[in-house]
Amino acid sequence: GQSLEQPSEVTAVEGAIVQINCTYQTSGFYGLSWYQQHDGGAPTFLSYNALDGLEETGRFSSFLSRSDSYGYLLLQELQMKDSASYFCAVRDRGGATNKLIFGTGTLLAVQP
Amino acid sequence: DTAVSQTPKYLVTQMGNDKSIKCEQNLGHDTMYWYKQDSKKFLKIMFSYNNKELIINETVPNRFSPKSPDKAHLNLHINSLELGDSAVYFCASSQVDSTDTQYFGPGTRLTVL
Repeated sequence: GQSLEQPSEVTAVEGAIVQINCTYQTSGFYGLSWYQQHDGGAPTFLSYNALDGLEETGRFSSFLSRSDSYGYLLLQELQMKDSASYFCAVRDRGGATNKLIFGTGTLLAVQP
Repeated sequence: DTAVSQTPKYLVTQMGNDKSIKCEQNLGHDTMYWYKQDSKKFLKIMFSYNNKELIINETVPNRFSPKSPDKAHLNLHINSLELGDSAVYFCASSQVDSTDTQYFGPGTRLTVL
């Protein structure tokens, strides 16, 4: 089976940089995804890493180390609107089908 | 413009009732999903359909019955509602070979009294 671990909460101030870690255990690995969910909203896809290294998209970057079964989401120049829950996810292949397994989520609180 | 839509957004009902949630996507995706998010925000897949065919059924009680009339629509019918069914239900869609990149609907908050 698959399991993913993330910190439950992270607090940071506006303008700062924050890193949200995710460690995973999988029986077969394809890649690591990140989703953002604002309170009362829907999960929104942020990024996907299939290979080792850092992928940058604006203020957000995502990193993967396959050998360490570890990844992180890096948020720079934090803004109040970044306050949300962040989920890492991996694909689980059960039989002939794929499904996403989500981590328990990290609640990011950005303070002024 | 809406990519994945769900109705209703809120559903408040009594135990024992039957209710349905509807989902539609206009992204041209082949695969659609139902997720349940509990009060601790744990997001768990319930069902997945690919081109109207059920491909994932995650040991969900058979009071839950999904139906996909076509690949753009996926509905969820729940019989004999129980208190533990209270949660937010999300519909999502993706291309069949892009499971990692899913597009979620706005969610339906179900409250069973």
